[in-house]
Amino acid sequence: GNSVTQMEGPVTLSEEAFLTINCTYTATGYPSLFWYVQYPGEGLQLLLKATKADDKGSNKGFEATYRKETTSFHLEKGSVQVSDSAVYFCALALRDSSYKLIFGSGTRLLVRP
Amino acid sequence: DGGITQSPKYLFRKEGQNVTLSCEQNLNHDAMYWYRQDPGQGLRLIYYSQIVNDFQKGDIAEGYSVSREKKESFPLTVTSAQKNPTAFYLCASRPSPTGLVGETQYFGPGTRLLVL
Repeated sequence: GNSVTQMEGPVTLSEEAFLTINCTYTATGYPSLFWYVQYPGEGLQLLLKATKADDKGSNKGFEATYRKETTSFHLEKGSVQVSDSAVYFCALALRDSSYKLIFGSGTRLLVRP
Repeated sequence: DGGITQSPKYLFRKEGQNVTLSCEQNLNHDAMYWYRQDPGQGLRLIYYSQIVNDFQKGDIAEGYSVSREKKESFPLTVTSAQKNPTAFYLCASRPSPTGLVGETQYFGPGTRLLVL
C-alpha cells in the first residue's frame, strides 16, 4: 500500500542549529511529495512540495529534495528559529480518483532560545 | 481575502446526538475534503467531493455523512454511530476536480470536537 514514515519526535534544538526531519515513502505510482506545517491549534499550511525525481522544493529557508532512488523527501533547514516550533507533516499524493493526501504521523519541533 | 472557514472552532457533542461541522471556501475550488486528526497521528481522509452533488467515502467514513449542494460548501455531520468522535477535524480544498500533478490542497483552521 501507500504510506509515509517520518522520524519520531519531539525534536528539540537550540536556535540557529541545523534541522533534519527524515521522511520516507512507499507508493504504487509516481507521487507528488509535500511538507506541511501545523502551528498549535491551527490548520495545516503548505511549506514546500516537489513533483518529480531530483526536484528541490524550498520555502522560508526550508528545503527538501525528491529522491526516487531512496524513496525519501527529508526536510532541512540550516538555521532554525524559535518561530519554527511547530509540527511538520510529510505527505504524498497520487494521481488516482481521489488525489487525497497520505500523511506521515508528524514530527514536533521545539526550538529553544 | 480568499480562504477556507470552518465553524465552530470548538464543538461539544452529547451521547446520541448528531452534530454538523461547517466548511466554506471562497477560492472557487472544485474539490473538497474532510480529514480527521487524532493526537500524535497524521490526518486520515473521511470523505471527499470532486464536484457539486457528488462525494465519495474516504478511509474512515463510518459514522459520518456529508453533502455537497453548493460548490463553496461541504458540511460534515458526525452521527451517533461514530463511537469515538473526539478529534480535530480539518477541511481542505484544491482547485481542480481531477488531480493535477503537484496540485496543492489548502486547509481550513479546523474544528475540535469534544464529547460530553
